[in-house]
Amino acid sequence: DARVTQTPRHKVTEMGQEVTMRCQPILGHNTVFWYRQTMMQGLELLAYFRNRAPLDDSGMPKDRFSAEMPDATLATLKIQPSEPRDSAVYFCASGLGQAVGEKLFFGSGTQLSVL
Amino acid sequence: AQRVTQPEKLLSVFKGAPVELKCNYSYSGSPELFWYVQYSRQRLQLLLRHISRESIKGFTADLNKGETSFHLKKPFAQEEDSAMYYCALSGEGDKLIFGTGTRLQVFP
Repeated sequence: DARVTQTPRHKVTEMGQEVTMRCQPILGHNTVFWYRQTMMQGLELLAYFRNRAPLDDSGMPKDRFSAEMPDATLATLKIQPSEPRDSAVYFCASGLGQAVGEKLFFGSGTQLSVL
Repeated sequence: AQRVTQPEKLLSVFKGAPVELKCNYSYSGSPELFWYVQYSRQRLQLLLRHISRESIKGFTADLNKGETSFHLKKPFAQEEDSAMYYCALSGEGDKLIFGTGTRLQVFP
């Protein structure tokens, strides 16, 4: 059963520290999304990639967030420096082809707490 | 710009009652709309999509372009329907935008 894998599942850190979240998309999927889930904002799109190229990262605070796909099996989301307001659940999702909304597979998320 | 609005953060009903979770969208092109669901301790997953006009777990949703709505409906709610529901829109560049979500609580 193919799954999107996210690590770590939980992360507690102090303000100012660097945080790196990792995502392994389903093998063969060519589109990867990063979302942030909060009670107030719901699921916010941070960035997404197709064939490892960033298509849109307008949802990310550019001064502290960065997203990359070093290869087709790994997507990373970094926050440096982290702030308490970054506390949220971060989801990665992968899909295939043009109509990814048809079947987007989500990871279990990384629950981030910045103290 | 793409935008999805879910006006209700929480919807509580009793088992057997009808349910309607509201979703309105804003998009100048031809949208593709979806409902995703997140059950407790499970991953977010696709529930249904407007293109297929299907009924999944008794839920249906009709795209109303005149009202720019895609409300999710079920005639008789079940306790196992309790979950977080997200409406999503795929538009320009195949970007998938979600609403803020509605938590559905179905009481016995």
